Amino acid sequence: GAVVSQHPSRVICKSGTSVKIECRSLDFQATTMFWYRQFPKQSLMLMATSNEGSKATYEQGVEKDKFLINHASLTLSTLTVTSAHPEDSSFYICSARIEGSKNIQYFGAGTRLSVL
Amino acid sequence: DAKTTQPPSMDCAEGRAANLPCNHSTISGNEYVYWYRQIHSQGPQYIIHGLKNNETNEMASLIITEDRKSSTLILPHATLRDTAVYYCIVKDSWGKLQFGAGTQVVVTP
Repeated sequence: GAVVSQHPSRVICKSGTSVKIECRSLDFQATTMFWYRQFPKQSLMLMATSNEGSKATYEQGVEKDKFLINHASLTLSTLTVTSAHPEDSSFYICSARIEGSKNIQYFGAGTRLSVL
Repeated sequence: DAKTTQPPSMDCAEGRAANLPCNHSTISGNEYVYWYRQIHSQGPQYIIHGLKNNETNEMASLIITEDRKSSTLILPHATLRDTAVYYCIVKDSWGKLQFGAGTQVVVTP
């Protein structure tokens, strides 16, 4: 399957700082990428849809000013958690969609964010 | 509103076939069924998807009933590394993958 790379895999930061997470599609171009969040013992929750060259669309209840998304190229989307707080500690996972008849989404390995 | 229902958990003996059921009674005619799995602390892995015909790849087989209201994912020879949460998903009205609780599959020696 297609490869989606996510970096970093783990980050620990102090409360109040901002953290940037990168998501790259390595062997295909993706006009659409997705960001999910997963709390312990829960399922993945879709946060936002990242669209190349345009603004991201956020799911209900997700603060767009706190979770900044940039999709500046066909292979890279970034999620910045601004002014992170302990309640933002979670597993963040990105995915990229191959356009066409299959519309399959491939996922990155995830980023474990711990805010102290 | 969930579009699929799956049993919360199931056990399977190593080397035996694992049959994972999924109900999607409200699926519409042009909606695909997607299966993913998530091994602990990793990102979800795509397994297979189908519309109405049965599908097979190197990982699994997907059997879809004629009325398309349910499907079964078959892992032909389960190994310990197949222990994971398996998700059966029909995309929402916006074409997005929304994950439910899935089925926790534990493969035992």
